[in-house]
Amino acid sequence: KAGVTQTPRYLIKTRGQQVTLSCSPISGHRSVSWYQQTPGQGLQFLFEYFSETQRNKGNFPGRFSGRQFSNSRSEMNVSTLELGDSALYLCASSLEGHGSATQYFGPGTRLLVL
Amino acid sequence: DAKTTQPNSMESNEEEPVHLPCNHSTISGTDYIHWYRQLPSQGPEYVIHGLTSNVNNRMASLAIAEDRKSSTLILHRATLRDAAVYYCLMRGNTGKLIFGQGTTLQVKP
Repeated sequence: KAGVTQTPRYLIKTRGQQVTLSCSPISGHRSVSWYQQTPGQGLQFLFEYFSETQRNKGNFPGRFSGRQFSNSRSEMNVSTLELGDSALYLCASSLEGHGSATQYFGPGTRLLVL
Repeated sequence: DAKTTQPNSMESNEEEPVHLPCNHSTISGTDYIHWYRQLPSQGPEYVIHGLTSNVNNRMASLAIAEDRKSSTLILHRATLRDAAVYYCLMRGNTGKLIFGQGTTLQVKP
């Protein structure tokens, strides 16, 4: 089975722009979660989607949004980019979204905001 | 959400066992204990998880305290490829994974 894929792998944007990141989960997985990783804050949960519905949301401003499509692929969008949004954005998928389900992470998209 | 506490860093010699501790005193009855590790320039990788009983798999063992307020990840024979940041986290029915700062494991040859 192919693993979780994320596109693009690297991205450079300027302040004020918006960006859309894409995640393709492992085939058959219905839960997709997004995380932001920075040296200062570590790995922080952004949101989780299950069967096209957002089930959980972390403590991020409304500039961060996401969605999930019927094929379980997910996108996240960041509008009005700020310098502090520079980070590695990780997507993870799992069969289900409950406690025992293993999450499989993609390689991440590294976003640099100038 | 349950929080975890781990040592910032640990060192081990190659071929020796490593015990990575984690405190999770606020764990709820339905929270699973998960361990992930992250190698440089990669996304986190699943290691092991458990609920109440000790667990073994090909990568590691997980020892869970009887009161479930702490757990220990055991790497039976550390190799240089095991050098990574190890995260202990709880996952309940909300599906959230809350990562702490993790333990950076150094393995010396």
